[in-house]
Amino acid sequence: SAVISQKPSRDICQRGTSLTIQCQVDSQVTMMFWYRQQPGQSLTLIATANQGSEATYESGFVIDKFPISRPNLTFSTLTVSNMSPEDSSIYLCSVEEGDRSGYTFGSGTRLTVV
Amino acid sequence: QKEVEQNSGPLSVPEGAIASLNCTYSDRGSQSFFWYRQYSGKSPELIMFIYSNGDKEDGRFTAQLNKASQYVSLLIRDSQPSDSATYLCAVNRNFNKFYFGSGTKLNVKP
Repeated sequence: SAVISQKPSRDICQRGTSLTIQCQVDSQVTMMFWYRQQPGQSLTLIATANQGSEATYESGFVIDKFPISRPNLTFSTLTVSNMSPEDSSIYLCSVEEGDRSGYTFGSGTRLTVV
Repeated sequence: QKEVEQNSGPLSVPEGAIASLNCTYSDRGSQSFFWYRQYSGKSPELIMFIYSNGDKEDGRFTAQLNKASQYVSLLIRDSQPSDSATYLCAVNRNFNKFYFGSGTKLNVKP
């Protein structure tokens, strides 16, 4: 299965600032996915990142708040902008396995906004 | 109505017993079904996937799917304390559109 390196693993940020999370995959993938997991909750899809086109955002998530870059087939970034304490969460990137057998997740970024 | 529903638990079973985890989904058009295990502070890891009605076995794990009842389950035989985790059910409805349940916390007591 794909190996995903995600960083930073955790960060504590001041409100009003921005944090960029990086995901590097060890193989080329068409789509990468960004999820949020709030404390005690399940995973919510933020957006789907395709190489060469703008990301597709889910309801409740907007590009100005969560800009995404996808410069090539192995890398993506998610920025959490103008952070507030409500953005405190775990952010995960994910890719689909080539044989449609499921999704692999990065190790996650635990973000705390103070 | 949520896309995917799970009992949050915790479900407690003694070591060596069978743990049964259940999940229902709302959209009959759902095509594939996945079970993920998530240890506290870690990211989810895929345990099993199932596409067709019936049972699918992999080691100590068996996934069961009943599309008519919109129901998918995961059985863990010979449960071990290391199986203690939160189990997430995920449903793929449209291409690359995943919906996750809120997860069931499993405690396996030694």
